[in-house]
Amino acid sequence: GDSVTQMEGPVTLSEEAFLTINCTYTATGYPSLFWYVQYPGEGLQLLLKATKADDKGSNKGFEATYRKETTSFHLEKGSVQVSDSAVYFCALYLVQGAQKLVFGQGTRLTINP
Amino acid sequence: GAVVSQHPSRVICKSGTSVKIECRSLDFQATTMFWYRQFPKQSLMLMATSNEGSKATYEQGVEKDKFLINHASLTLSTLTVTSAHPEDSSFYICSARAVGQANEKLFFGSGTQLSVL
Repeated sequence: GDSVTQMEGPVTLSEEAFLTINCTYTATGYPSLFWYVQYPGEGLQLLLKATKADDKGSNKGFEATYRKETTSFHLEKGSVQVSDSAVYFCALYLVQGAQKLVFGQGTRLTINP
Repeated sequence: GAVVSQHPSRVICKSGTSVKIECRSLDFQATTMFWYRQFPKQSLMLMATSNEGSKATYEQGVEKDKFLINHASLTLSTLTVTSAHPEDSSFYICSARAVGQANEKLFFGSGTQLSVL
């Protein structure tokens, strides 16, 4: 079935470090891919998305490129801030099929000053 | 942006009791709400989909008599965990889809951590 696998956390970095959170997926069709972020005490928020191969989603300095050949959608940021500390979820959505979001397990990121 | 309020954020209960979790869309109408559950170090898993005024659709392996879902209005859905047991301890999160929006455009609550003693 359709699934998403994320880099296991927690991840702890110093401020201004480079961030990569790996995400790979398995899907029977051509999914849209998403990264959601959950800040402490808040609901999940859409961070960025990509709907087809080679698309790059970007927001708030974060980027992720839809790589069909490696079935990946890794999240990157060049210089993280303390305010980026949150849980990050990778997800996929298939229009042809169950039409529901399928999530990874989430990766907790902590940025130290 | 659209806000979904989920309450309570944390609940501890005794085994055998029932717990109700509320999910409200504060500034929009939600024809469809989704309930997810996450066990430690596992994926956020869809439990059920509820449409306003009709019965919820449960995912395979989710007991509908144990996890009662009510979606009585366009702004409120509730999940009741009946006769809770320690294995029901988990993180529950709801999401809502606004009228006319695709299923991929969801707004999420902040989640409820349920601990059953």
